[in-house]
Amino acid sequence: AQSVAQPEDQVNVAEGNPLTVKCTYSVSGNPYLFWYVQYPNRGLQFLLKYITGDNLVKGSYGFEAEFNKSQTSFHLKKPSALVSDSALYFCAVRVLLSRGSTLGRLYFGRGTQLTVWP
Amino acid sequence: DADVTQTPRNRITKTGKRIMLECSQTKGHDRMYWYRQDPGLGLRLIYYSFDVKDINKGEISDGYSVSRQAQAKFSLSLESAIPNQTALYFCATGAIMYNEQFFGPGTRLTVL
Repeated sequence: AQSVAQPEDQVNVAEGNPLTVKCTYSVSGNPYLFWYVQYPNRGLQFLLKYITGDNLVKGSYGFEAEFNKSQTSFHLKKPSALVSDSALYFCAVRVLLSRGSTLGRLYFGRGTQLTVWP
Repeated sequence: DADVTQTPRNRITKTGKRIMLECSQTKGHDRMYWYRQDPGLGLRLIYYSFDVKDINKGEISDGYSVSRQAQAKFSLSLESAIPNQTALYFCATGAIMYNEQFFGPGTRLTVL
């Protein structure tokens, strides 16, 4: 069965320190993976995606994510956290509706609340 | 994302009332989705539509119905609202390639 796991409900980090938000997935075939961010009282905003190619994907606001096929992980990272990065982060994986189809849907993890303190 | 709008943004209603949430998009996408968000549960898919003539149930469709009036419009209805439908509801559109999705600002629904 396809799924996405975000093992940490909360991540706390000091401003200026590196941050990591973890995500693991389980899906048949080649995974298409996404990270979204949700600021308070806002909808989800797309950060970055992995489709194929380089395992290190760069996205918006200085975020990057590393795809690791052997560990089935897609962790979100940032070298130096900002207080303004504090938000709820969601990992998602695309699942095709049937073999050979191009139609698919996203499964989302439960979210990780990131707090960056000054 | 201003390309996806939802109305109303907030709604308080009573048990048993019929409620409609509306979604409009200007991105030109064929694919549209309705999700609900509950604390600690992430986003769960209610219904999705790949074009005007296509409607599919997600994993939590019971108690909900949808209407795809046009490519740009996708409405979600609660026929008889109940308190455990209190949640934040998001509409999203989807690009054909890679299934990347773009979200509206959400509707906060409270059922008393």
